[in-house]
Amino acid sequence: AQSVAQPEDQVNVAEGNPLTVKCTYSVSGNPYLFWYVQYPNRGLQFLLKYITGDNLVKGSYGFEAEFNKSQTSFHLKKPSALVSDSALYFCAVRGYGNNRLAFGKGNQVVVIP
Amino acid sequence: GAVVSQHPSWVICKSGTSVKIECRSLDFQATTMFWYRQFPKQSLMLMATSNEGSKATYEQGVEKDKFLINHASLTLSTLTVTSAHPEDSSFYICSARKPSSSSYEQYFGPGTRLTVT
Repeated sequence: AQSVAQPEDQVNVAEGNPLTVKCTYSVSGNPYLFWYVQYPNRGLQFLLKYITGDNLVKGSYGFEAEFNKSQTSFHLKKPSALVSDSALYFCAVRGYGNNRLAFGKGNQVVVIP
Repeated sequence: GAVVSQHPSWVICKSGTSVKIECRSLDFQATTMFWYRQFPKQSLMLMATSNEGSKATYEQGVEKDKFLINHASLTLSTLTVTSAHPEDSSFYICSARKPSSSSYEQYFGPGTRLTVT
């Protein structure tokens, strides 16, 4: 079985401060890892993915994530948060050969002006 | 690009009626599409996997006779909520997968808000 844990319900951060959204995963074999962002009443927008290669992945809107195999983590980061980054963030994992994505429960990010 | 559209974006229907939601991949062919359901402030729950030209695979606990899925072409999948009830009110999101992508990345539609009165 594959699963994702996003331990925090909400992350509050002041505008301009670094933003981190945590994600740990469980999967058989090598993981395919994804981060998505969702704005109210909208679908999911792709931010970035890790498939193989460099552990530090850079994505859209200045976001990046670091794959850590030993800690089975894939935390999302942004050096300087913007108010417009306030949204719901989902981490997802898929195991090799598995057709389906497993999503975390999501983290509400609130960037305070 | 990889754009997925859904129609309608929102719908209100009366209890007992049926509602059809369309999911289209606009600029690529999708042999596989997925249907998710999302409750407020919760994660996405996979309802079914839809493969073009074959029957959908439903997740445990999802009634296949209530949530009819048809994947008639490589760019269109439909979800029909039959005999809708207020508890079916939810946000329904589809996604489509590019078969040529080694990561099997999914591209998500904007979602359909269903309200059953």
